Amino acid sequence: GIQVEQSPPDLILQEGANSTLRCNFSDSVNNLQWFHQNPWGQLINLFYIPSGTKQNGRLSATTVATERYSLLYISSSQTTDSGVYFCAVVPHTGGFKTIFGAGTRLFVKA
Amino acid sequence: EAQVTQNPRYLITVTGKKLTVTCSQNMNHEYMSWYRQDPGLGLRQIYYSMNVEVTDKGDVPEGYKVSRKEKRNFPLILESPSPNQTSLYFCASSARRGQGTSEQFFGPGTRLTVL
Repeated sequence: GIQVEQSPPDLILQEGANSTLRCNFSDSVNNLQWFHQNPWGQLINLFYIPSGTKQNGRLSATTVATERYSLLYISSSQTTDSGVYFCAVVPHTGGFKTIFGAGTRLFVKA
Repeated sequence: EAQVTQNPRYLITVTGKKLTVTCSQNMNHEYMSWYRQDPGLGLRQIYYSMNVEVTDKGDVPEGYKVSRKEKRNFPLILESPSPNQTSLYFCASSARRGQGTSEQFFGPGTRLTVL
C-alpha cells in the first residue's frame, strides 16, 4: 500500500522562526490534508490541498502531486503552534482509505 | 454550527463489556470514518462508510463493528473490548468529491480505557 513519510520527526524552534515540514507519499492521491493536533488532542484542519498552493495567515502549503510531496510552511512561529502536524492522504487506488503520516512534533520556545 | 460530535468523551470499562461510541455529523456528509490513535503508531483507520448501508474496512478493523443506518450517524461498537483496544478514538466526516472526498472534519475524540 501507499507509504506516507513526514520529516523531520521532531522540531524545536525559537519563537519567531520559520520552518518547513515535508510529507512524501509513494503513490498518486485523490486527497491530501494537513492537520495540527494541539496539546489537548484536538485535530484541527489546516489545509485540504491535493495539488497547488494555499495560504492562511502565517501558514501556507504546497503540494506537487506529480512529484508526490507536500510542504507545510510556518512563518513567524508562535508558542501556540506547538503540537503535532500530520499529513493524511486518500490514495488514488484502494477505495477511500485514509493513510496518515507519523507526524512532525513541533515545540516552539518562548 | 457545523460539527462532528462523539459520545462519550471519556470511558473506562472492563474487558468483555460491550460498548458503543456514538458519532454524529450535521453537515449532510456522505463519508464517515473511525480512527484510533496510539503512541508510536499514529492514527490508523478502523472502518469507513461512503454512504448509508455502505461500509468498508480500514487498516485495523479487528474487534470492531460499525453500522450506517442513517446518514448523520456512524456508531462504533466494541462487542467484547480487550485491553489492547485502549486508545484515543476519532470520528470524522467529509463530503464526496469526484473520485475522492473533500476535507475531513474530526470530532473531539473519545479516550477509552479497557481494564
